[in-house]
Amino acid sequence: QLQLQESGPGLLKPSETLSLTCTVSGGSINNNTYYWGWIRQPPGKGLEWIGSIYNSGSTYYSPSLKSRVTISVDTSKNQFSLKLSSVTAADTAVYFCARQGDGGKSFDYWGQGTLVTVSS
Amino acid sequence: DIQMTQSPSSVSASVGDRVTITCRASQGISSWLAWYQQKPGKAPKLLIYSASSLQSGVPSRFSGSGSGTDFTLTISSLQPEDFATYYCQQANSFPRTFGQGTKVEIK
Repeated sequence: QLQLQESGPGLLKPSETLSLTCTVSGGSINNNTYYWGWIRQPPGKGLEWIGSIYNSGSTYYSPSLKSRVTISVDTSKNQFSLKLSSVTAADTAVYFCARQGDGGKSFDYWGQGTLVTVSS
Repeated sequence: DIQMTQSPSSVSASVGDRVTITCRASQGISSWLAWYQQKPGKAPKLLIYSASSLQSGVPSRFSGSGSGTDFTLTISSLQPEDFATYYCQQANSFPRTFGQGTKVEIK
């Protein structure tokens, strides 16, 4: 059974860089079939797609976050990562990592999510 | 970007009721639509992909239909474990976008 687990700091100060890692177990991340993505959810609000990576290279980012986001893959560790620079309170959210199956269309496996709070 | 609009924002229903949620895309997305269920404090769960394909392990009381710009998620007979928030997501193009969610509450 595929499992995804997010990890990283839960509290950041404004202007810092958010760094999260998603560790994949029960399957290989080095698979041309799937995309790997990040989604966030501010407290009490809806889901926002942040970005996705495919085939260890091609990346796709939300236009509203593109200038601050980097997604990368480490196949040796079976992990993929998210970096979001210059965070503000508006970036406070639960961050989910997920696999995109169905040719990268839908998110079929999700991590449990990790709350990141930005506060001075 | 393709905007996704769900209606209603919330619905009150009883166990055994038939519930229908609609999702409209701001432009045509063929059948590239997914539906998710999310319970408080949990990650979303994929229910339906490609507008009408039931994800493995999802009960058959869930069904999806539609193509182009208009889509529906139907729960044929609401069960206690179905009280949750439901989201649609377009999968036609990047950036991927979600609807704002529909909360299904106990009447």
